[in-house]
Amino acid sequence: GDSVTQTEGQVALSEEDFLTIHCNYSASGYPTLFWYVQYPGEGPQLLFRASRDKEKGSSRGFEATYDKGTTSFHLRKASVQESDSAVYYCALTPPRIFFGDGTQLVVKP
Amino acid sequence: DAGVTQTPRHEVAEKGQTIILKCEPVSGHNDLFWYRQTKIQGLELLSYFRSKSLMEDGGAFKDRFKAEMLNSSFSTLKIQPTEPKDSAVYLCASSVLGGSSQNTLYFGAGTRLSVL
Repeated sequence: GDSVTQTEGQVALSEEDFLTIHCNYSASGYPTLFWYVQYPGEGPQLLFRASRDKEKGSSRGFEATYDKGTTSFHLRKASVQESDSAVYYCALTPPRIFFGDGTQLVVKP
Repeated sequence: DAGVTQTPRHEVAEKGQTIILKCEPVSGHNDLFWYRQTKIQGLELLSYFRSKSLMEDGGAFKDRFKAEMLNSSFSTLKIQPTEPKDSAVYLCASSVLGGSSQNTLYFGAGTRLSVL
């Protein structure tokens, strides 16, 4: 069945560090892939999405490239800030949306 | 544009009580979802409506959880009777059918439920 796997449950970094959160998926065809971010006290919100192989999604300095060959959509940011501390979810659709378990990012000043 | 509105933001209930959570989706959206969020289980789908018709309800939640969509702009989630293990954040989300934003979920801020 369709699924999303996020390897890291929690990531702790210092400001200006490089971030990678791994996301691998299992699905037939060409699902649409998403990254959502959730700040404390809020619901998840879309960071960006991608629908085709090799398509790059990006927003607020974060980026990820759809890779059908490796079934991955890893989230990266070159230089994190304390304000990036949040939970990040990888997701895919259709037929319905499947979320990964989420990765808690903690950035220390 | 108004986003997804959930009320109340916080709810405290005694074990065995009935509680009703409310959700107003984004105007014009066709799909509505209810999720439960906990640290251990993450996001769990409770119910999914398309154009007010129930498309899916999470099998494990059928017995005490009932979601309804009374009209295209209002939905409720009833938990009856509540148990302490129901303590969680309940999230409502909506999405539009068609267009470049198809399948993108817009979430409310959630209702934090504590069952004593």
